Amino acid sequence: QSALTQPPSASGSPGQSVTISCTGTSSDIGRYNFVSWYQQHPGKAPKLMVYAVSKRPSGVPDRFSGSKSGNTASLTVSGLQTEDEADYYCSSYASGNDLFFGGGTKLTVL
Amino acid sequence: QVQLQESGPGLVKPSQTLSLTCTVSGGSITSGIFYWSWVRQPAGKGLEWIGRMSPSGSARYNPSLRTRATISGVASSDQFSLKLSSVTAADTAVYYCARENIPWGPESWGQGILVTVSS
Repeated sequence: QSALTQPPSASGSPGQSVTISCTGTSSDIGRYNFVSWYQQHPGKAPKLMVYAVSKRPSGVPDRFSGSKSGNTASLTVSGLQTEDEADYYCSSYASGNDLFFGGGTKLTVL
Repeated sequence: QVQLQESGPGLVKPSQTLSLTCTVSGGSITSGIFYWSWVRQPAGKGLEWIGRMSPSGSARYNPSLRTRATISGVASSDQFSLKLSSVTAADTAVYYCARENIPWGPESWGQGILVTVSS
């Protein structure tokens, strides 16, 4: 089992929307609705932004939304703000409850 | 609100065993629905799940680290530990402990501790 595949970078201007993809296989993303997304600012611990593909923990703005199609999950950030500039990681469980992360996407707000 | 804090040596010699402890406040590691995990991140790289411990003390590991990692609870305390044997420079990373809510993933994280493997 290898890490999930994410694009290394993404960018958008303030107010725009940007979508980050996370591609897995039929054994993880394609099989289970157990995809989560994390935001990580430099020097900080990751923060859970989306879980169960599209649910948001309390306190996470509704500008962050998640979806899934087949073996690919996506995180969309709408109405980009400067504080959204960070690294974003997806995660998914595979059979046996092993947890895998994507390689991360650096989001730049232009 | 649960809080987690990693502690341990910041420098480990090659071939030795890395030992870290996570102190949990605001929650019990021996009851409830949550699992207790370790995740690491080499500088400039992505996250890697090392493994987790259940409230009953059973552990599960990343297949790539299974032969070297041991996660266990510290008796009579809300602490759990990570031991990683036979370390090399490739094990240099920030190590995070986290509370994991299967199947949603780690939801609460410690601040992380940098461990450098060097002679």
